[in-house]
Amino acid sequence: GAGVSQSPSNKVTEKGKDVELRCDPISGHTALYWYRQSLGQGLEFLIYFQGNSAPDKSGLPSDRFSAERTGGSVSTLTIQRTQQEDSAVYLCASSPGGFHEKLFFGSGTQLSVL
Amino acid sequence: GDSVTQMEGPVTLSEEAFLTINCTYTATGYPSLFWYVQYPGEGLQLLLKATKADDKGSNKGFEATYRKETTSFHLEKGSVQVSDSAVYFCALSKNRDDKIIFGKGTRLHILP
Repeated sequence: GAGVSQSPSNKVTEKGKDVELRCDPISGHTALYWYRQSLGQGLEFLIYFQGNSAPDKSGLPSDRFSAERTGGSVSTLTIQRTQQEDSAVYLCASSPGGFHEKLFFGSGTQLSVL
Repeated sequence: GDSVTQMEGPVTLSEEAFLTINCTYTATGYPSLFWYVQYPGEGLQLLLKATKADDKGSNKGFEATYRKETTSFHLEKGSVQVSDSAVYFCALSKNRDDKIIFGKGTRLHILP
């Protein structure tokens, strides 16, 4: 596709439910990143994939958060037993290489946990 | 740990005014420095970057110089336009495999 695609664009869920967020990177980009953007908190790094492996998952806030990438392409971020503090915009980005390459960001998934 | 601090917004200027958004960083070694911009309704995009001391990144009339002695990477533009209204993020990365650390962002409003 022309850019990084994220779905859904908006997700409202009830506390305690599981959610899955999807990211389709730009074709051919080997690196994929997940960040979280909370109001007034800037961007918080969650996890980084190079191909299908995750060299750095240090930003995942708790064991309720997990992510996978298959076929070196699509990635899914899963949040189990959602809490209200999980409410944020979840951003995905991709790049041809590592972090020093230009990152291309999607428009994000706005997650609201009621 | 490594961090980026940028001036809080919102910053409101009139069209054609001079812009400075301050950014300082804390990091060991020699990180690469970036400015990303988020226009209303759009995803973040790279505005400019600098990879070593005294480098100047520039794009779309914006400039920033990597100052190691003051650990700063201030963003400047000589004459802003209404279309520059956006949120600007300063960021750093230690190396190509090290996560980009972002500042909290500065919202810029340009009045016609």
